Amino acid sequence: GEDVEQSLFLSVREGDSSVINCTYTDSSSTYLYWYKQEPGAGLQLLTYIFSNMDMKQDQRLTVLLNKKDKHLSLRIADTQTGDSAIYFCAPGGGGFKTIFGAGTRLFVKA
Amino acid sequence: DTEVTQTPKHLVMGMTNKKSLKCEQHMGHRAMYWYKQKAKKPPELMFVYSYEKLSINESVPSRFSPECPNSSLLNLHLHALQPEDSALYLCASSAGTGSSYEQYFGPGTRLTVT
Repeated sequence: GEDVEQSLFLSVREGDSSVINCTYTDSSSTYLYWYKQEPGAGLQLLTYIFSNMDMKQDQRLTVLLNKKDKHLSLRIADTQTGDSAIYFCAPGGGGFKTIFGAGTRLFVKA
Repeated sequence: DTEVTQTPKHLVMGMTNKKSLKCEQHMGHRAMYWYKQKAKKPPELMFVYSYEKLSINESVPSRFSPECPNSSLLNLHLHALQPEDSALYLCASSAGTGSSYEQYFGPGTRLTVT
């Protein structure tokens, strides 16, 4: 089955950029997703990228995809305290094929 | 309306109790999901309903019984649970079950089994 790895913790200062990385084994999906989970809440779809793209930018968010290395990253520019949350990559696509990484806990220091 | 609602927000139950978790969406989505999430872990898929039929059961113990009364509602009936079943139970829906369909999640029900 799919194996998805993420580093568990990232700490940045407010205003800096955050980069959250994800590596995966199954490269068959058309879509690769990032979800955000704030404390005590459900998951919220943040952004996604098509598998035929290298990069997607959406306001402060930039998603980079390296299909050859099976590496997905999420960059948050000008990180704010409200960005503190757990970020899950789901590189296996959506629907019932959704498999989440372990989640990266982002802590933003004021 | 892009919201998935879940009730109750919190539930405390004894090991001999019977309770139900409820989930509702009005986005016309035809796939609905139950996940279990333990602290500091990713969500684990439990059940998937597609067009109101159970299509995936990830070897979940029979003390968890899902039900999909109609295309907008999803229930999870709980009976004779164990303390290790304490977790956040998340409901989600998607327009379809294919990989191009992102999931919309509810806020979850925090379940504590005593």
